[in-house]
Amino acid sequence: KNEVEQSPQNLTAQEGEFITINCSYSVGISALHWLQQHPGGGIVSLFMLSSGKKKHGRLIATINIQEKHSSLHITASHPRDSAVYICAVGAQKLVFGQGTRLTINP
Amino acid sequence: EAGVAQSPRYKIIEKRQSVAFWCNPISGHATLYWYQQILGQGPKLLIQFQNNGVVDDSQLPKDRFSAERLKGVDSTLKIQPAKLEDSAVYLCASRPAGSSTDTQYFGPGTRLTVL
Repeated sequence: KNEVEQSPQNLTAQEGEFITINCSYSVGISALHWLQQHPGGGIVSLFMLSSGKKKHGRLIATINIQEKHSSLHITASHPRDSAVYICAVGAQKLVFGQGTRLTINP
Repeated sequence: EAGVAQSPRYKIIEKRQSVAFWCNPISGHATLYWYQQILGQGPKLLIQFQNNGVVDDSQLPKDRFSAERLKGVDSTLKIQPAKLEDSAVYLCASRPAGSSTDTQYFGPGTRLTVL
């Protein structure tokens, strides 16, 4: 079993829908990261969480330390949100989930 | 502030050939990482440098992979000889020294195809 599990692996939705991507981890962590990877390959850091909730524009990330679970939400989804979203845990050394491929259709 | 630079962006080689990738981290970032990301998987750490010293290379296939960061700034990752299973995106990331929770900054990656 992987230390970081994401679900779903693939998600297709219509523009405007509310999106939720889940991440569960089995190791103790100091921080959890949500990353976005576009088809070109480069990765952009969206959030780093150690507790509670963070919001940036239409993106919201939450974490429940006791349940070892985090969610990434996208409100009013748009085709430009189409990307692979990766959950990673750790600090100096990151352990990555396998990613969730999100496709938003117009 | 300039981001993490990597080159080349794409490389196609035949198996048993050699290849080298280059990474220039964000100025002042002491920690540098090389990751391998196989299609459909999350990145896997190959090697971590702190300045010019190796912190973790436990998952680096040392029979064919090598990496260096001689002056503690830019870094090269080499594969010699390449195998088909080395086809992947190779990501470089850097992080400033200091807090252990500082985020990593990723470069655009080098997509390697081994034929």
